[in-house]
Amino acid sequence: GQQLNQSPQSMFIQEGEDVSMNCTSSSIFNTWLWYKQDPGEGPVLLIALYKAGELTSNGRLTAQFGITRKDSFLNISASIPSDVGIYFCAGVQAGANSKLTFGKGITLSVRP
Amino acid sequence: DTGVSQNPRHKITKRGQNVTFRCDPISEHNRLYWYRQTLGQGPEFLTYFQNEAQLEKSRLLSDRFSAERPKGSFSTLEIQRTEQGDSAMYLCASSPPRGRTLQETQYFGPGTRLLVL
Repeated sequence: GQQLNQSPQSMFIQEGEDVSMNCTSSSIFNTWLWYKQDPGEGPVLLIALYKAGELTSNGRLTAQFGITRKDSFLNISASIPSDVGIYFCAGVQAGANSKLTFGKGITLSVRP
Repeated sequence: DTGVSQNPRHKITKRGQNVTFRCDPISEHNRLYWYRQTLGQGPEFLTYFQNEAQLEKSRLLSDRFSAERPKGSFSTLEIQRTEQGDSAMYLCASSPPRGRTLQETQYFGPGTRLLVL
């Protein structure tokens, strides 16, 4: 079963607002990846994190690799309507031979 | 630079039939993965290839499922005697060879949506 926790299941924000999402686990991960998925499509990689404490940005997106290596955070600033979608965190556990473990995702809605 | 491609994008089949999906990874990516995603869930790992070698299989991959990557390029996933519970999105991902840093990055295809009636 899945070992990454993402909550809440859905988030509703106003266009222009910032939003933060987190992803937690009881296990240690060596890599954290954040993906966005649109309906009927595959996940698209947003940000990759490889070191504890690492803070990485991609445009309006910023993500951090938690110091404990058991969590990660994604922040979207100044949201726009095209930010709508499902955001997944995924991680690679130590010794996991590259396979990704995913959270259940957070569905983001942006009101214009 | 083309991404990961998957065919077909959609498949409807009757219970008991066999189906086969194809995945073409990003060129020069030697690692290839199959995942399955059901509604409201994140993708779940099925199997992993490095070049032509299948290095890991999930317990989710029952004996009705078989995956191949005969020449280390494209891969196929076959499901025999399909069941309604096999209905899902089947996703393929690929990764470049690991460098000295061992950093992992997986790029996904658009998926094949399977509906078993």
